Amino acid sequence: EPEVTQTPSHQVTQMGQEVILRCVPISNHLYFYWYRQILGQKVEFLVSFYNNEISEKSEIFDDQFSVERPDGSNFTLKIRSTKLEDSAMYFCASSENRGESPLHFGNGTRLTVT
Amino acid sequence: KNQVEQSPQSLIILEGKNCTLQCNYTVSPFSNLRWYKQDTGRGPVSLTIMTFSENTKSNGRYTATLDADTKQSSLHITASQLSDSASYICVVSTYNTDKLIFGTGTRLQVFP
Repeated sequence: EPEVTQTPSHQVTQMGQEVILRCVPISNHLYFYWYRQILGQKVEFLVSFYNNEISEKSEIFDDQFSVERPDGSNFTLKIRSTKLEDSAMYFCASSENRGESPLHFGNGTRLTVT
Repeated sequence: KNQVEQSPQSLIILEGKNCTLQCNYTVSPFSNLRWYKQDTGRGPVSLTIMTFSENTKSNGRYTATLDADTKQSSLHITASQLSDSASYICVVSTYNTDKLIFGTGTRLQVFP
């Protein structure tokens, strides 16, 4: 069964550094998402992406964050200058359609900011 | 404020037993309700999706119910297996938004 893959599985970075989290969504999916989960808390929506542009973003997704689909397969999340509070598990997801289509999640990248 | 609350926070059962997990939501306008299973260190996996008009939906040993009037849902697991040990998350979506609203989950542990 096709799956969403994320790399790296764990990223450790120093405060103020830039990080890029990478995702390969399922190939025939058109909608892409980033969510994050701070340890012990709920999963939170960051951003959705369709047709090469951001569809929607949350208040968490400030100017420090950006997303890109640089080619036909990769979908990336960049954090420009990491803060301690950015430490979390970041999940990429994709879906065939909006609405009632299930989101397929990757296994996440654990980001640790020291 | 749109919220999804789940109970219990955690649950321990013996292999072979049944269990029911609860979800209450205050989300408007409601579009659909989803149950996800999340193994430790893994991404959530979709179990069921129900719209306003659906009362029940099954996926193998998992059966979800929805009462859109009282804004409650349940997930029933039949004949539990050790592999059912995971967090079960209730997720609600609204119209005209891509944002899914996640509950905190119920952590289920199944012991032999």
